[in-house]
Amino acid sequence: DTAVSQTPKYLVTQMGNDKSIKCEQNLGHDTMYWYKQDSKKFLKIMFSYNNKELIINETVPNRFSPKSPDKAHLNLHINSLELGDSAVYFCASSQDPAQPQHFGDGTRLSIL
Amino acid sequence: AQSVTQLGSHVSVSEGALVLLRCNYSSSVPPYLFWYVQYPNQGLQLLLKYTTGATLVKGINGFEAEFKKSETSFHLTKPSAHMSDAAEYFCAVSQGGGNKLTFGTGTQLKVEL
Repeated sequence: DTAVSQTPKYLVTQMGNDKSIKCEQNLGHDTMYWYKQDSKKFLKIMFSYNNKELIINETVPNRFSPKSPDKAHLNLHINSLELGDSAVYFCASSQDPAQPQHFGDGTRLSIL
Repeated sequence: AQSVTQLGSHVSVSEGALVLLRCNYSSSVPPYLFWYVQYPNQGLQLLLKYTTGATLVKGINGFEAEFKKSETSFHLTKPSAHMSDAAEYFCAVSQGGGNKLTFGTGTQLKVEL
């Protein structure tokens, strides 16, 4: 069973479109995250939710809107996509700060 | 604020040689430290972690790391490199407050015959 699953794995779209990435975890964790990995492999946190409540928002443009319908799901919606949004987006989950985060396989977003 | 520095964006070793990947951190409180490995087109997999207790921690695939508070370091080692170890390695620090992980810039490990 996949612990943290993201869909889609690949997303190719045009500038200006709106798209969503879904994430689900079956580990029973309370906290979920979105990270962005750029073309130089640098990983940076975007958002963190704990039990459906937003606890970290790292100065991400408001075109990015996370939504957590329940603690097992954290989706990422992106409006008006820009070329600079091209990256790999990783979802992760963890139970508490002392426990490691479990990562999904990533969604590779390419903007044409 | 917390930060992580990984010295050497690319490290190349011969198969069977010692692997040493360097990581230094800064944190205003006792940190939790992690090493993750990323294989091409995959997510991050935990290699090992340090939270409290024994400063030498052992992880998967024969890797280990030692937490040295005086040097603010958490270097990753493996006695004998294998071809399958070729990947990108990330050091990360967390200090609670939502469990935000701050990553280093990564080190790409190449293993040569």
